[in-house]
Amino acid sequence: EVQLVESGGDLVQPGGSLRLSCAASGFTFSSYWMSWVRQAPGKGLEWLANINLDGTKKYLVDSVRGRFTISRDNAKNSLYLQMDSLRADDTAVYYCGRIIGGYDTRDYWGQGTLVTVSS
Amino acid sequence: IVLTQSPGTLSLSPGERATLSCRASQSISSSYVAWYQQKPGQAPRLLIYGASTRATGIPDRFSGSGSGTDFTLTISRLEPEDFAVYYCQERITFGPGTKVDIK
Repeated sequence: EVQLVESGGDLVQPGGSLRLSCAASGFTFSSYWMSWVRQAPGKGLEWLANINLDGTKKYLVDSVRGRFTISRDNAKNSLYLQMDSLRADDTAVYYCGRIIGGYDTRDYWGQGTLVTVSS
Repeated sequence: IVLTQSPGTLSLSPGERATLSCRASQSISSSYVAWYQQKPGQAPRLLIYGASTRATGIPDRFSGSGSGTDFTLTISRLEPEDFAVYYCQERITFGPGTKVDIK
């Protein structure tokens, strides 16, 4: 069974940092591109980042580029999102997702982890 | 690319047919069009990818169609568990969602 489990969400002050993790199981992690998507309270879904199979290609939305970094460790079946210079508008539930090859579509999602940026 | 979903809210009764629209600001490849269902407090669930292919385990009352700029998700007969928010997506862009609620 495919499982994605996010962790690392917390309450952090503006300007602070957090590192989110996504532990994958039930599939060959190194064979899939992966993605982060977030959802602010009461709002819709916002794509944040994609990463290729070996972590050498990374794509981020303009609003987080330079502040967030996506990475992966295939040996640990884990995906990461390093978030720096956090702002109040980064408050959201953060989901990791597995990408279907050839469709750029996320077929499995984790349950999400809540990041709250507030003083 | 901007995705527009209509209507914003659809009020229907169980057993009725639901037709949800997703319109793109320019022509897009149907290979990259997907539909998700999201219930409160839950992660999105993939229903349709490639515009018309049902994801694993999705009942056949859900169907997708369309091409170019206009795409549709149809739920043939609403079950109680189908009342939720539905999002269309094209690659890295998500639509704003359509809420299907009980009339």
